[in-house]
Amino acid sequence: SAVISQKPSRDICQRGTSLTIQCQVDSQVTMMFWYRQQPGQSLTLIATANQGSEATYESGFVIDKFPISRPNLTFSTLTVSNMSPEDSSIYLCSVGQRDSPYEQYFGPGTRLTVT
Amino acid sequence: LAKTTQPISMDSYEGQEVNITCSHNNIATNDYITWYQQFPSQGPRFIIQGYKTKVTNEVASLFIPADRKSSTLSLPRVSLSDTAVYYCLVGAISGNTGKLIFGQGTTLQVKP
Repeated sequence: SAVISQKPSRDICQRGTSLTIQCQVDSQVTMMFWYRQQPGQSLTLIATANQGSEATYESGFVIDKFPISRPNLTFSTLTVSNMSPEDSSIYLCSVGQRDSPYEQYFGPGTRLTVT
Repeated sequence: LAKTTQPISMDSYEGQEVNITCSHNNIATNDYITWYQQFPSQGPRFIIQGYKTKVTNEVASLFIPADRKSSTLSLPRVSLSDTAVYYCLVGAISGNTGKLIFGQGTTLQVKP
């Protein structure tokens, strides 16, 4: 298993600003993912940030709005840019290994409120 | 990735066995079936994964019929702490993607 921490745990931001969310893992992992979850809703995959490749974004999500960095095998960041109230959500990162890709481990999430 | 259909909610009582069925009629040959559990204010947690027949671990059992068009997650003797949302996911990991697509999930409420 892997232990994942996220920073910040929550934040309240003004529209038009940007927030960078950090995801730290206690071991090296090949695959990292970023999700968004509205309260009471299911998870929506934003992008995949695997080691050694550029982030791959899902339909409806673009790099200019959600730039992702993956500098090493234990760390990733997701930036929510030029925020609007519609970006208010919980953002979660998850990690997995290629030899067991379905068994992913999730961070506790970052609760973002945009005013 | 195959679409999944599961009940939106279920109620149970402590000590009972709970079976949550997921329908995935368009499952492909290479697809695996995975279940996750999510408590409020936490990220999802992997429960179990299977391809066919029956899989059992210390937490749950997963029953998959021969046609693989559905699967049933079985939770033995549930307790109040099993109240959570349970997600059924079906899909194959291709290349470097490894991505999971979550459906709506089943909210299980365990009552005393």
